[in-house]
Amino acid sequence: EVQLVESGGGWVQAGGSLRVSCAASGFTFSSYEMNWVRQAPGKGLEWVSYIDGSGSTMYYADSVKGRFTISRDNAKNSVFLQMNSLRVEDTAVYYCARPRGTGSSGFFDSWGPGTEVTVSS
Amino acid sequence: DIQMTQSPSTLSASVGDRVTITCRASQSISSWLAWYQQKPGKAPQLLIYKASSLQSGVPSRFSGGGSGTEFSLTVSSLQPEDFATYYCQQYSSLWTFGQGTKVEIK
Repeated sequence: EVQLVESGGGWVQAGGSLRVSCAASGFTFSSYEMNWVRQAPGKGLEWVSYIDGSGSTMYYADSVKGRFTISRDNAKNSVFLQMNSLRVEDTAVYYCARPRGTGSSGFFDSWGPGTEVTVSS
Repeated sequence: DIQMTQSPSTLSASVGDRVTITCRASQSISSWLAWYQQKPGKAPQLLIYKASSLQSGVPSRFSGGGSGTEFSLTVSSLQPEDFATYYCQQYSSLWTFGQGTKVEIK
């Protein structure tokens, strides 16, 4: 069974940094791309970042480009999101999600339960 | 960037109703569209992919349709557990979600 479990969320002041993690199990992690998606309180879903299976290709939403860095450790079956220069508007639940499908970017068939990040002014 | 627009934002319905949610893309995305259901405090769950393919384990009362820029999600007979928020997502070029449709009890 595929399992994704996020951790590392918490409270941080604006301008600070936080690193959230996602531990994966139940599948061959290195063969899969991974994504981070976030959801601000009471708001919709926003795609944040992507990394390919080898960790050599990354994409970011414009709202986080230059501040967030995605990485992975295939030996530890984990993907990370380093968040720097945090803003109040980064307050959200952060989900990791596994994409599936060929011929496109892929839809998200597995999600973790999320980790909550609160940025205070 | 591809923008996704869902309608309506809120839908009031009763158990047994047939309901349809629409999603429009700002440019053609072929059939690269997914639908998700989200309940409060929970992660989204995949319902439909490639516009009309039902994810394993999802009840057959859910169906999807459309291609290009116009898509729809239909629930043929709404059940109590279907009251939730639904999101469309394009995955033709990176990923974009619609703003969501909350299906509430009338």
